[in-house]
Amino acid sequence: AQSVTQLDSQVPVFEEAPVELRCNYSSSVSVYLFWYVQYPNQGLQLLLKYLSGSTLVKGINGFEAEFNKSQTSFHLRKPSVHISDTAEYFCLTGGGNKLTFGTGTQLKVEL
Amino acid sequence: DAGVIQSPRHEVTEMGQEVTLRCKPISGHDYLFWYRQTMMRGLELLIYFNNNVPIDDSGMPEDRFSAKMPNASFSTLKIQPSEPRDSAVYFCASISNNEQFFGPGTRLTVL
Repeated sequence: AQSVTQLDSQVPVFEEAPVELRCNYSSSVSVYLFWYVQYPNQGLQLLLKYLSGSTLVKGINGFEAEFNKSQTSFHLRKPSVHISDTAEYFCLTGGGNKLTFGTGTQLKVEL
Repeated sequence: DAGVIQSPRHEVTEMGQEVTLRCKPISGHDYLFWYRQTMMRGLELLIYFNNNVPIDDSGMPEDRFSAKMPNASFSTLKIQPSEPRDSAVYFCASISNNEQFFGPGTRLTVL
């Protein structure tokens, strides 16, 4: 069975500050991990994904995540956030035809 | 490619009416998913198809919900009769290379 835990439901942060959104997973099979972003009133958009290879994954909009097998984590980071990063972020795990969603983290960037 | 297309984008209907949501996946993607998103439950997988065949419909909440995929380029999700608790955003997604591409969603309001 696969599961994902997003530890923070809301993360407030000031503009230009760094941010980390936490995600822990459990899986008994090969791990695929994803971060998606959902802007207000829009669908989900892929930020980045880990399928294999380098554990540091770079995505769009300056985000990156590191796959840490020993800690079963896939935390999302950005060194300097912008107001436009305000959105909900979902961590997902699973293979292509069956994904497990985290409950989402609402990132609110303030001036 | 225009991405995953959903229609209508917004639907307001009265309790008891039939509602049909439509989805056109990205050409060449052989998996199609229907999700529902609400504040209370977050994102829920309702059903998914592989090569137009329903594979797992365990997420369909009750018999009032049905989904079809008559061909590789079209799928429908029908609710009959609709109820106020069906109000949600319904997303369709298709897959390529372990990445799910989401449509913009249909916001359904049942009065």
